Amino acid sequence: DVKVTQSSRYLVKRTGEKVFLECVQDMDHENMFWYRQDPGLGLRLIYFSYDVKMKEKGDIPEGYSVSREKKERFSLILESASTNQTSMYLCASRPGTRGTDTQYFGPGTRLTVL
Amino acid sequence: KNQVEQSPQSLIILEGKNCTLQCNYTVSPFSNLRWYKQDTGRGPVSLTIMTFSENTKSNGRYTATLDADTKQSSLHITASQLSDSASYICVVSRSSGGSYIPTFGRGTSLIVHP
Repeated sequence: DVKVTQSSRYLVKRTGEKVFLECVQDMDHENMFWYRQDPGLGLRLIYFSYDVKMKEKGDIPEGYSVSREKKERFSLILESASTNQTSMYLCASRPGTRGTDTQYFGPGTRLTVL
Repeated sequence: KNQVEQSPQSLIILEGKNCTLQCNYTVSPFSNLRWYKQDTGRGPVSLTIMTFSENTKSNGRYTATLDADTKQSSLHITASQLSDSASYICVVSRSSGGSYIPTFGRGTSLIVHP
């Protein structure tokens, strides 16, 4: 059974803080993704990684960076958190580069920036 | 621009009734279309996937259709149950530089009443 875990379910930070969101998958998947989900907007892709140390910008990368030093772990970094980054953050992993491979999602981290 | 539009935005039905959710897309080049179910407070879970050559796919009481010519898809739910209450998300993936990039619709929120 594929498992994608995220470090926190709920997180509260202050404006200007550096924030790390961690995602770990236990199925040796090559691809990993970070999304944010906001009411009425659906999921939007922030960054994805198709291999260790590789990263690609998604649709809304501004204000975020990522790190993938190990295959199982994909970190999302908010260098200086702002209130408009209050959102639900979802991590996903996918086995490989076949288009039909399923993405498996973690439970999400609800981040509030005060 | 790559977009996925879903309708209706929300839907309320009585237990035991059928319903159909719609998805229109402009994503190109098309790779596949997937429907996800997202329960409140959880990550999305894949229901069905269809590639260009497939025009229907079933998963229990869920049946998805795809018309690649008109770029439309539908998800039909038969004999609805209370547990069907969730958000249903249409996701269309495009091929890009050897990888596959998903574009998410905003979802249809379904409420099933007893």
